[in-house]
Amino acid sequence: DIQMTQSPSSLSASVGDRVTITCQASQDISNYLNWYQQKPGKAPKLLIYDASNLETGVPSRFSGSGSGTDFTFTISSLQPEDIATYYCQQYDNLPSYTFGQGTKLEIK
Amino acid sequence: EVQLVQSGAEVKKPGESLKISCKGSGYSFTSYWIGWVRQMPGKGLEWMGIIYPGDSDTRYSPSFQGQVTISADKSISTAYLQWSSLKASDTAMYYCARRDLGWNRFYVWGQGTTVTVSS
Repeated sequence: DIQMTQSPSSLSASVGDRVTITCQASQDISNYLNWYQQKPGKAPKLLIYDASNLETGVPSRFSGSGSGTDFTFTISSLQPEDIATYYCQQYDNLPSYTFGQGTKLEIK
Repeated sequence: EVQLVQSGAEVKKPGESLKISCKGSGYSFTSYWIGWVRQMPGKGLEWMGIIYPGDSDTRYSPSFQGQVTISADKSISTAYLQWSSLKASDTAMYYCARRDLGWNRFYVWGQGTTVTVSS
């Protein structure tokens, strides 16, 4: 099974900061990676698909990059409403759509 | 409007059986895969498995194979997740999600069903 390792597990940043989360796959997954945002008590929301494509309606301050085993998710200027937990999800090893362990983002 | 509506919260005892549901509306239910995701209290998302309601083709994550059963009734546009004998460790929120047609991404999610297993 492919393992997805996210870092950091938690992060505290100030409004306006640039925030970066990484996700590492245990083997090459090409660009088969999604990123989700989950706010407390809510279902996950798709933000990025195919590693770098922004889902329709998602603010442009969110972006994703990477391929192979190393991926990055970036918020260019943190906003208060971005407080959430973020997850990567691989889909190279179907039918398993394995998630990373999540990164909890808080406001400093 | 495309939506997935899940059944309500459940409180069960260990050893009991349970079947929770996920009803799709606003789209052709038989044409889209439906996945299930577990989230234990205070923990991350875990992929459980996926079903294609058109022919009930079902694939399980190795971690959940034999632990749960995923099924669907296309006549009522509903997918199910069931347990034959619940354990305390099954206490979690469970989400269903629709896989986008032709893509490996999940844009439409149900609101979640809380399952509590306690003696």
